[in-house]
Amino acid sequence: DQQVKQNSPSLSVQEGRISILNCDYTNSMFDYFLWYKKYPAEGPTFLISISSIKDKNEDGRFTVFLNKSAKHLSLHIVPSQPGDSAVYFCAATPGSSNTGKLIFGQGTTLQVKP
Amino acid sequence: NAGVMQNPRHLVRRRGQEARLRCSPMKGHSHVYWYRQLPEEGLKFMVYLQKENIIDESGMPKERFSAEFPKEGPSILRIQQVVRGDSAAYFCASSPRQGTIYNGYTFGSGTRLTVV
Repeated sequence: DQQVKQNSPSLSVQEGRISILNCDYTNSMFDYFLWYKKYPAEGPTFLISISSIKDKNEDGRFTVFLNKSAKHLSLHIVPSQPGDSAVYFCAATPGSSNTGKLIFGQGTTLQVKP
Repeated sequence: NAGVMQNPRHLVRRRGQEARLRCSPMKGHSHVYWYRQLPEEGLKFMVYLQKENIIDESGMPKERFSAEFPKEGPSILRIQQVVRGDSAAYFCASSPRQGTIYNGYTFGSGTRLTVV
């Protein structure tokens, strides 16, 4: 039962353009969402998060949008840089939970071409 | 300020042997989480521990897997009688206290277990 889904296994964009990575979830109890970036042979690195009481959160080149009615979130990277090439995971949690347990999507591999 | 340290980075075990994976959390962090990433999949939660306590082990397979986080020393994930399906990357993360996922907790670089 995949509660968090990233339906695009890969995405390729040109340097300087916008990268849009998508994520869908099924569990309405999820109220906190995070994006992680992962390079090969390294652990995931936290990028940005959003609470369900918001619909947008911005940090530099990264913006996360949340559409609760559609149970959909997206990560926008503008402008994209070659160093952004990595695997991106979205993750969700019921914030009321005290276990800190994150439910991850399968990941999307982003390639930014110079 | 060292991050989350996992060792070994790579571990090869024959079927039936035991695997021990170690995780030293960041300084000052007393909460540890273990995740497993199978090939071509996302990370799957396994267990959440505080010092000397298992808080949530809902993601742990019922048999052969165990985890501990003693008062002194690293957290250990132990897999007995390994099988080929245990081959995966195992990641550990730590946080300073409960409920601090909102800024994302810090992951180690992982241990890649290969069962031959």
